[in-house]
Amino acid sequence: AQKITQTQPGMFVQEKEAVTLDCTYDTSDPSYGLFWYKQPSSGEMIFLIYQGSYDQQNATEGRYSLNFQKARKSANLVISASQLGDSAMYFCAMREPGGSFGTGTSLTVIP
Amino acid sequence: ETGVTQTPRHLVMGMTNKKSLKCEQHLGHNAMYWYKQSAKKPLELMFVYNFKEQTENNSVPSRFSPECPNSSHLFLHLHTLQPEDSALYLCASSSNKDPGAETQYFGPGTRLLVL
Repeated sequence: AQKITQTQPGMFVQEKEAVTLDCTYDTSDPSYGLFWYKQPSSGEMIFLIYQGSYDQQNATEGRYSLNFQKARKSANLVISASQLGDSAMYFCAMREPGGSFGTGTSLTVIP
Repeated sequence: ETGVTQTPRHLVMGMTNKKSLKCEQHLGHNAMYWYKQSAKKPLELMFVYNFKEQTENNSVPSRFSPECPNSSHLFLHLHTLQPEDSALYLCASSSNKDPGAETQYFGPGTRLLVL
């Protein structure tokens, strides 16, 4: 079974600053993938970034980067230069088999 | 235009009603999923279909009945629901070519209220 833990129910960040959203996971599978999704108030889950367990480098997608520490089983999302539109719920997830989502972190960007 | 569409976006139904949620994906994917998102709870995977075959059913009550007529369409038939079934129901799809790396693309969800 897989498990995802997000310990920050809510986070605040000043506009243009960077913020780190924490995610730890637990799995016995040797090969796995970690995902981050953004969910605005409209409800749609938007894919942000993916990290494979065997990837040599940390994933990056524009202002999003993933701080992947395999030995510590953590996959923290870093958002650089925060924008007001980044205010949303953020979910860490793992897929296959079964898969699971964390409880999410609510991010509020302050002007 | 989003790759995954869901209708209706909002639904209010009584406990004796029968309704259906519809999901359609335009991404050429082979796998489709139903999730339930309740307030203050993690996203719950309900059903998984691969190539129209159901591959996962996570102990979902029989009052929820999925149907996948083809790889592009997924339905969730609802009958005799309970108020605690009120939630956001999200549909997702993925290519399933690499199970560990499959990115799921979500629809906008259906907000369901059971009275």
